[in-house]
Amino acid sequence: DGGITQSPKYLFRKEGQNVTLSCEQNLNHDAMYWYRQDPGQGLRLIYYSQIVNDFQKGDIAEGYSVSREKKESFPLTVTSAQKNPTAFYLCASSPPGQRNTEAFFGQGTRLTVV
Amino acid sequence: GDSVTQMEGPVTLSEEAFLTINCTYTATGYPSLFWYVQYPGEGLQLLLKATKADDKGSNKGFEATYRKETTSFHLEKGSVQVSDSAVYFCALGGSYIPTFGRGTSLIVHP
Repeated sequence: DGGITQSPKYLFRKEGQNVTLSCEQNLNHDAMYWYRQDPGQGLRLIYYSQIVNDFQKGDIAEGYSVSREKKESFPLTVTSAQKNPTAFYLCASSPPGQRNTEAFFGQGTRLTVV
Repeated sequence: GDSVTQMEGPVTLSEEAFLTINCTYTATGYPSLFWYVQYPGEGLQLLLKATKADDKGSNKGFEATYRKETTSFHLEKGSVQVSDSAVYFCALGGSYIPTFGRGTSLIVHP
């Protein structure tokens, strides 16, 4: 079945540690996105990529980094510069430029600072 | 920039009540509009969509009509069930970067 796989489902980070969240899709979508979800704040865009080897900052990129070396993969690194990383992280993909196509989401990764 | 505003929750209803969740958007140009649903601990799933003015999206008894003149896409259901309890997100997308409202929590009591 086609879809988006995020791993791990739960992740714990110590203070000052970098962690990487995985996102893989087999939908052959060009565009991929990372969102952060906090209670009452909806989904906020961290980074997005519309083509391999290119990505753009979203609204809250500070303290995060990404790479897009393969079409299928868009990992997100939460660096020690992100002061409040505890949140639910969602990865999504879509075929760009098509009016009738929605974004497809993974099941999310819940990151907790310990 | 592009944005979506939806009514704050939680919305608490009894089973078989009528549901409305308001959504308005701001965008340059002509986006497609979507409603997504999220169950606890999961990602978002598409509920319905509309790609042009006056289109009505519908699914599982939920409906929403794309109103370009009022830049709105309100979600309605005639008779809610306990199983409809979830968080609902209005979004614009299509050829746009998907942009979401803050979400509205719906709680349905038996």
